[in-house]
Amino acid sequence: DAKTTQPPSMDCAEGRAANLPCNHSTISGNEYVYWYRQIHSQGPQYIIHGLKNNETNEMASLIITEDRKSSTLILPHATLRDTAVYYCIVRVIQGAQKLVFGQGTRLTINP
Amino acid sequence: DAEITQSPRHKITETGRQVTLACHQTWNHNNMFWYRQDLGHGLRLIHYSYGVQDTNKGEVSDGYSVSRSNTEDLPLTLESAASSQTSVYFCASSDRDFKGNTIYFGEGSWLTVV
Repeated sequence: DAKTTQPPSMDCAEGRAANLPCNHSTISGNEYVYWYRQIHSQGPQYIIHGLKNNETNEMASLIITEDRKSSTLILPHATLRDTAVYYCIVRVIQGAQKLVFGQGTRLTINP
Repeated sequence: DAEITQSPRHKITETGRQVTLACHQTWNHNNMFWYRQDLGHGLRLIHYSYGVQDTNKGEVSDGYSVSRSNTEDLPLTLESAASSQTSVYFCASSDRDFKGNTIYFGEGSWLTVV
């Protein structure tokens, strides 16, 4: 699976949009981009995933660049409960289903 | 609602003891995984299974074993617990659909080896 690069930490004001970047320059054509988050002491929580097109669900939006070498997770109206470590992961569609976690970005939402 | 549960949630054991952490999911998922999480290392894969009677080693499998006798359960056994195995353990599962299906995690089992 391709490796990802994320900033170790970010801050965002409550009510603002939080934009979390991820670089995955070695991504292959058959690899999806996944985002998970982990709130302190809890199990990782699935947020969103995509292959080529931008995706949106009730939690967030995922913007993938045309060359697929980077992506951005957008939390449109961040709340204090969005404070967590956010992981960007790329993995193949077929074969190994396991997720390989990096260090993630520690997002702090400030009041 | 379908879910994934781990037990015990917290356990203290002595060095050299055998310990088993249970993981049970009610989604009928084929794939199940065990991760451990330590400060400074993030989540690391221990073992995984793609179906009944199938088991595979992850990146940190030494000292651990799993068995898959049915779809719902993947117990993780520490044959002889060591202090280095003090950690938080997460079980996860996903469906067989290979088209970008999601993996769901349990709430974790905190294990302390003294």
